Amino acid sequence: DTEVTQTPKHLVMGMTNKKSLKCEQHMGHRAMYWYKQKAKKPPELMFVYSYEKLSINESVPSRFSPECPNSSLLNLHLHALQPEDSALYLCASAPDLGSEAFFGQGTRLTVV
Amino acid sequence: GDSVTQMEGPVTLSEEAFLTINCTYTATGYPSLFWYVQYPGEGLQLLLKATKADDKGSNKGFEATYRKETTSFHLEKGSVQVSDSAVYFCALSYFSGNTGKLIFGQGTTLQVKP
Repeated sequence: DTEVTQTPKHLVMGMTNKKSLKCEQHMGHRAMYWYKQKAKKPPELMFVYSYEKLSINESVPSRFSPECPNSSLLNLHLHALQPEDSALYLCASAPDLGSEAFFGQGTRLTVV
Repeated sequence: GDSVTQMEGPVTLSEEAFLTINCTYTATGYPSLFWYVQYPGEGLQLLLKATKADDKGSNKGFEATYRKETTSFHLEKGSVQVSDSAVYFCALSYFSGNTGKLIFGQGTTLQVKP
């Protein structure tokens, strides 16, 4: 099983809503990542978890809140987002920090 | 700091043409290098990798060789197909202290016409 599964695939939310993105992997990987990708741009790193501990926060606004409940799951909690936060949110996992990462299909988020 | 530079696109080729997408990097250590491909509306897929100098990564007809002397990792394919149309990202692994991440180039769009 080399899959990283993200849910939901699409999400439309208002600026006052609270929602969560979910990511799951069963490859035994110890590193997990959240990226944000705008159209025609490379992925921008948001957060890195290593052994379920937050390792990197790339100065992401507090309206994005990551959570790693266990080694297979990674969540991204969203609250009071802005329209400019609309993007493709990608989760990835890797055996170790800096090794090849495997990406999920992403969640297409639209903030209205 | 560490960085990756890719040739600008879009690159437009006819089917069965030879493909080269240039990638150069700047790194203080000895990173691993990767090529990822992204099809429209999808996430990134790992295409190939190389972990040390002179390694050649290959997959699905694509190849890239880790050249330390020229700090390059150019992607090549001998005969492209319409189905290869996608965005290609070159990336390197970055370590600092007890953490690490992937650093991506800007991406190169490939369009293959029948």
